[in-house]
Amino acid sequence: EAGVAQSPRYKIIEKRQSVAFWCNPISGHATLYWYQQILGQGPKLLIQFQNNGVVDDSQLPKDRFSAERLKGVDSTLKIQPAKLEDSAVYLCASSLVNVMNTEAFFGQGTRLTVV
Amino acid sequence: KNEVEQSPQNLTAQEGEFITINCSYSVGISALHWLQQHPGGGIVSLFMLSSGKKKHGRLIATINIQEKHSSLHITASHPRDSAVYICAVANTGNQFYFGTGTSLTVIP
Repeated sequence: EAGVAQSPRYKIIEKRQSVAFWCNPISGHATLYWYQQILGQGPKLLIQFQNNGVVDDSQLPKDRFSAERLKGVDSTLKIQPAKLEDSAVYLCASSLVNVMNTEAFFGQGTRLTVV
Repeated sequence: KNEVEQSPQNLTAQEGEFITINCSYSVGISALHWLQQHPGGGIVSLFMLSSGKKKHGRLIATINIQEKHSSLHITASHPRDSAVYICAVANTGNQFYFGTGTSLTVIP
């Protein structure tokens, strides 16, 4: 079974530029999560989708971050404009229903460096 | 205060040693997860627990729901076990909380 695919693996941009990350969850997984993990910290939920609807985006900095999952499958996370403090690993995860009932599977992450 | 606390933050062990990583949580949960993260950043799910004990190879995870505590044990540790181990809980509101991780280094 293919895992959660993310791209790119690494990205370096200058502050005030924009960047987009892509995630392809495991086939059939209705729930998709985007997490931000700053070095030395645990992952922080940015947004959770159930199919193509948003379940929780309370911690998403909506002035600069946006995410979509138009057909309930792939998802993109965008930052515009980026700030230095956005340097982190961005993790995508998916699960069949939600993590209450099943495991969450994580992608390899995208390491973003903003200079 | 973080909903999930792990200890220790950093751990260095000699190859072959028995290792224990602890996790305490303060929210009501429906499941607790132990995750492994290698330097490249990707995360692998090791265990999902709602009660009792699970074992996969040299890894053992236990949970005490009444005490809100879980432990991850590694028997006969090996350098390839070097990674960050993260405890995460899903509460009854379907929110997922992560500990800050335990960085394990196993020296040959």
